[in-house]
Amino acid sequence: KAGVTQTPRYLIKTRGQQVTLSCSPISGHRSVSWYQQTPGQGLQFLFEYFSETQRNKGNFPGRFSGRQFSNSRSEMNVSTLELGDSALYLCASSLLGHSYEQYFGPGTRLTVT
Amino acid sequence: DAKTTQPPSMDCAEGRAANLPCNHSTISGNEYVYWYRQIHSQGPQYIIHGLKNNETNEMASLIITEDRKSSTLILPHATLRDTAVYYCIVRVGGDSSYKLIFGSGTRLLVRP
Repeated sequence: KAGVTQTPRYLIKTRGQQVTLSCSPISGHRSVSWYQQTPGQGLQFLFEYFSETQRNKGNFPGRFSGRQFSNSRSEMNVSTLELGDSALYLCASSLLGHSYEQYFGPGTRLTVT
Repeated sequence: DAKTTQPPSMDCAEGRAANLPCNHSTISGNEYVYWYRQIHSQGPQYIIHGLKNNETNEMASLIITEDRKSSTLILPHATLRDTAVYYCIVRVGGDSSYKLIFGSGTRLLVRP
């Protein structure tokens, strides 16, 4: 069974630009969560989607948004990029109600210059 | 949200047991404790989880104190490949929707 895939793996953007990251969950998984990892703040929860609906949201500004498609694939978008948005963005999928584990992808490393 | 406290680093000898402590004194009665590990900035890997009872799987054992304010992850025979950052996490929410609140983690170094 293929794992969680994230594209692109690496990305360099300039301040003020916007970026879209993509996540394909494990086949059959309907929940997708996003996390941001930085050296200073560690791993922080961004949001979680299930059946195309956002069900949980972390403490991030409105510049961070996401969506989920009917095939469970998810995208997250960051608008008006700031230097502090440089981070590893991780996506995780799970089978809610059947499994308690979240399976993480390799992440997208975003660098904002 | 409940938070966890872990020592920033630990080390152990290869072949010996690694005991990683975690404090979660503000945990609520229905919140699970999870352990994940992360190697070389790859995605975190699930290890084990528990609510009240001690748990064991092929990777590790989880010992939770009776008052649920702390727990210990035990890797029974650590190998060099177990060198990683270990996160003790509280799962906030129920089965239908939840989020993982990560702590700062313990960097475990397994020495040859």
